[in-house]
Amino acid sequence: AQKITQTQPGMFVQEKEAVTLDCTYDTSDQSYGLFWYKQPSSGEMIFLIYQGSYDEQNATEGRYSLNFQKARKSANLVISASQLGDSAMYFCAMREVNAGGTSYGKLTFGQGTILTVHP
Amino acid sequence: DAGITQSPRHKVTETGTPVTLRCHQTENHRYMYWYRQDPGHGLRLIHYSYGVKDTDKGEVSDGYSVSRSKTEDFLLTLESATSSQTSVYFCAIGGSGRSETQYFGPGTRLLVL
Repeated sequence: AQKITQTQPGMFVQEKEAVTLDCTYDTSDQSYGLFWYKQPSSGEMIFLIYQGSYDEQNATEGRYSLNFQKARKSANLVISASQLGDSAMYFCAMREVNAGGTSYGKLTFGQGTILTVHP
Repeated sequence: DAGITQSPRHKVTETGTPVTLRCHQTENHRYMYWYRQDPGHGLRLIHYSYGVKDTDKGEVSDGYSVSRSKTEDFLLTLESATSSQTSVYFCAIGGSGRSETQYFGPGTRLLVL
């Protein structure tokens, strides 16, 4: 069974500094996808970034980058130049992909990390 | 933004009553999902659908049933609500392809007294 672990219940960062949110995963599958979502206090789930298990480059989306270390089964989110609006809950999630390249898309989520950005 | 709406957005009900939550999408996507969010657990999959009338159970399906008679609508029913089903419920669409992103609706807050 797949499992996602986020070991940091809460993190604090100063505005304009970079912060890393940890995510480790456990799966026996060779093909899988890793996602990060942001949930602000308003409650919606916002997609941030995706990394495929066979992608050779680490994913980047603007100020977000994913530090993917396959051998260590980690997929940490790095937020550069933090902004006050980055204060939110962040979830790491994994999707199993079958050998045919498709799946039913089911996601397994970690418990989340609450990020607080201080001015 | 993906066209996903959920209704109702908030509901208070009593133990033992049936409750139906609706998810409506305008993206014509084949795959739809229901998750629940609880403190300390992140989001957990309740049921999912991979086409009209095609549904299957997720991780926490006990006490829930679903139906999908049209591509755009995915209904989640609590046959007899219990206090343990107090939660925030999210509908999602998409995500079947290798890198396809899954998009979420705004959520429904359900309180079972």
